[in-house]
Amino acid sequence: QKEVEQDPGPLSVPEGAIVSLNCTYSNSAFQYFMWYRQYSRKGPELLMYTYSSGNKEDGRFTAQVDKSSKYISLFIRDSQPSDSATYLCAMTKGPNTGKLIFGQGTTLQVKP
Amino acid sequence: DTAVSQTPKYLVTQMGNDKSIKCEQNLGHDTMYWYKQDSKKFLKIMFSYNNKELIINETVPNRFSPKSPDKAHLNLHINSLELGDSAVYFCASSQDASGANYGYTFGSGTRLTVV
Repeated sequence: QKEVEQDPGPLSVPEGAIVSLNCTYSNSAFQYFMWYRQYSRKGPELLMYTYSSGNKEDGRFTAQVDKSSKYISLFIRDSQPSDSATYLCAMTKGPNTGKLIFGQGTTLQVKP
Repeated sequence: DTAVSQTPKYLVTQMGNDKSIKCEQNLGHDTMYWYKQDSKKFLKIMFSYNNKELIINETVPNRFSPKSPDKAHLNLHINSLELGDSAVYFCASSQDASGANYGYTFGSGTRLTVV
């Protein structure tokens, strides 16, 4: 069983839709949670960063962490064609504890 | 100013050749990484260096040898290239040796094609 599971999709939605991307994980020691966005032929870039449980909002993006269920989500409101990319979740236990563990990424296409 | 820069961006080479990929970061980060991304977008860690010391060495063929001359540079040398080495290789850096402090900053990748 992988430490982090993420549905690879692809996920196709019409412009303006609300998108929900999810990851589940098995290690209860994870405390730091991130979402990366990767456009085609580019490197991943940090989109959202969350420590422990709760929600964080940044513009059209909301990240949620439910540590009791070992489940994290990224919501995109009013999705735009420019949101078309691969979204990777990532997590780690804490500073200087090893490495980020990545999900396998969900490919999202937002159609005009 | 590019934060993490990799060269070359594209590399096409024949089986059996030896090649190197270079990486430099100007963020003042202490830790640098090499990741391999396969065709299904899965990122797999290969190596990690913290202040020039190797701290992560995943199960990677010993044809792959990283070198960190200083904490701003991490290079990857690959001997006797094989078809299965074709992938995108990403360099990344982070403030701490796990990415807990605001994650990694990635380079733009080196697309390696072995023919």
